[in-house]
Amino acid sequence: DGGITQSPKYLFRKEGQNVTLSCEQNLNHDAMYWYRQDPGQGLRLIYYSQIVNDFQKGDIAEGYSVSREKKESFPLTVTSAQKNPTAFYLCASSMPAGASGRRAYEQYFGPGTRLTVT
Amino acid sequence: AQSVTQLGSHVSVSEGALVLLRCNYSSSVPPYLFWYVQYPNQGLQLLLKYTSAATLVKGINGFEAEFKKSETSFHLTKPSAHMSDAAEYFCAVSSPSGGSYIPTFGRGTSLIVHP
Repeated sequence: DGGITQSPKYLFRKEGQNVTLSCEQNLNHDAMYWYRQDPGQGLRLIYYSQIVNDFQKGDIAEGYSVSREKKESFPLTVTSAQKNPTAFYLCASSMPAGASGRRAYEQYFGPGTRLTVT
Repeated sequence: AQSVTQLGSHVSVSEGALVLLRCNYSSSVPPYLFWYVQYPNQGLQLLLKYTSAATLVKGINGFEAEFKKSETSFHLTKPSAHMSDAAEYFCAVSSPSGGSYIPTFGRGTSLIVHP
């Protein structure tokens, strides 16, 4: 069964600690994304990667870091520099633009990780 | 630049009534458009997508949306609401920006269904 997994579902950390959120997909998608979701603000893009070993900053990258060493994995680290890290984090994947002649593809989302920092 | 506006952060309907969730987009080129649904504490799931084929798009769970270029709209409808439709709905637009088609999401509309 293909899909995206995020772990853990709930995560609690003390202020000042870095924390890494896991995202794994077995859909053979090249593109992967990280979003932050806060009530009433929709989804805001943190980072995205369209190919292994390459990634780009999104709209709110400050205080976050990512790596893309494998096609299947795109972990997100929330650093102590992130001023307000408590949020719901969503990982997604998609086919890259241009595959099969189309320019854009729908995204497949993981179940999310709710991070609480106190 | 691309953007999406979802009118109404909350929409309340009675069970069996028409559902209408509004989405207006801004894009300098013909866009790809998507509607996603999110149930509490879950990820998003694709409802339907417009990819420049038919302007009336049918999706899952009885939902459909019509692309209207003249109105830059992509409103989501369902003839008869069911209690299980209560969820958050997101409209997204994807058009080229710097060679990429990274989508932009609206702020979401919470659909409340009354018995």
